[in-house]
Amino acid sequence: GENVEQHPSTLSVQEGDSAVIKCTYSDSASNYFPWYKQELGKGPQLIIDIRSNVGEKKDQRIAVTLNKTAKHFSLHITETQPEDSAVYFCAPLASSASKIIFGSGTRLSIRP
Amino acid sequence: ETGVTQTPRHLVMGMTNKKSLKCEQHLGHNAMYWYKQSAKKPLELMFVYNFKEQTENNSVPSRFSPECPNSSHLFLHLHTLQPEDSALYLCASSHGRQGASETQYFGPGTRLLVL
Repeated sequence: GENVEQHPSTLSVQEGDSAVIKCTYSDSASNYFPWYKQELGKGPQLIIDIRSNVGEKKDQRIAVTLNKTAKHFSLHITETQPEDSAVYFCAPLASSASKIIFGSGTRLSIRP
Repeated sequence: ETGVTQTPRHLVMGMTNKKSLKCEQHLGHNAMYWYKQSAKKPLELMFVYNFKEQTENNSVPSRFSPECPNSSHLFLHLHTLQPEDSALYLCASSHGRQGASETQYFGPGTRLLVL
């Protein structure tokens, strides 16, 4: 089965600075790499995802980069804002998988 | 709003009670999921229903009993729970065509406290 590790578990950055969260996985068949954001009192919501035929994807201030050889992918948030404070989860997945394994989460805090 | 609603949002129950959690999705999806989120553990998948058929039971104790009467509704029936079952229970849905490689649309969760 898939082993997923997410680092760091907590991250505090100054507003306006960048934040990077890394997700390492074990299943070489993984081909779908999403990142979810969970705000207080809400369920996780997809914010960006990438498939294995692409190395990087950007959507305004957020980006995801994928290194399939090393089996890790990262979430990059630039020009951080207070509303970026949340818990972020990765959930790498193979198309043949029957269930999703989420990372343990990263609590991101943005300091004003 | 994600199109997935859950009721109740908060629930306190004794160990001898029977209660049910309800989830409804308004997205036209065919797959629905129950997850457990505890303070000390990652999100844990409990059950998966695809086109109303249960396709995954992740070794969940029998005191949790899911029910999926149609593609839009999912229930989690609870009986004789233990204090360690206190957690946030999240429902999610997805299209159901590509199996697990699909975006999950989560509801806000039910915060359960077992006394």
